[in-house]
Amino acid sequence: QSALTQPASVSGSPGQSITISCTGTSSDVGSYNYVSWYQQHPGKAPKLMIYEVSNRPSGVSNRFSGSKSGNTASLTISGLQAEDEADYYCCSCTNVYVVFGGGTKLTVL
Amino acid sequence: QVQLVESGGGVVQPGRSLRLSCAASGFTFSNYGMHWVRQAPGKGLEWVALMWYDGSKRYYGDSVKGRFTISRDNSKNTLFLEMNSLRAEDTAVYYCARDIRSNHYDYWGQGTLVTVSS
Repeated sequence: QSALTQPASVSGSPGQSITISCTGTSSDVGSYNYVSWYQQHPGKAPKLMIYEVSNRPSGVSNRFSGSKSGNTASLTISGLQAEDEADYYCCSCTNVYVVFGGGTKLTVL
Repeated sequence: QVQLVESGGGVVQPGRSLRLSCAASGFTFSNYGMHWVRQAPGKGLEWVALMWYDGSKRYYGDSVKGRFTISRDNSKNTLFLEMNSLRAEDTAVYYCARDIRSNHYDYWGQGTLVTVSS
């Protein structure tokens, strides 16, 4: 299976909102509500931001939200802050197969 | 607190083997599926392998199938990755990650770097 498709980069100014898309197929993103999103700062391990399409783990800001329509999932970050600048990866993760998106570099202008 | 600590990385020649370990603490290891995920320098995340909580099932990414073997010792709270016939393209930071509800990762280790080079 191929990697999920994400835009290579997105940018926004502080306070603005941005959305990162993650497009898969009917065999992965479209089949299950098992899309998760990870934030990774340079030199650090990934951090879970959203799981099961739209759920936020404890401790993650409510500025982060997720959704899905058909074969495309989306991560929206509202009220952009400088600390949000990082790489973001979507994942269609199951207990038999896992596929990540190629990653999106978010730049806060 | 939950901790995952990888070890065993280093520089290895093409065609040789290496074994990575991931020591888990702070949770009941035998209750969770565990995965290996890698990241080549400057590249994105790539899933490598997973093993069910009880060791009954294991699955691999296409690029490592037949060369890598995932295993676990629940009595020692440790996950392993045996890597054989290593190639330059296997050069990456290797992370172990805990699988929660079989559909996402809630904890990751700090990673261990494997460099395949002559």
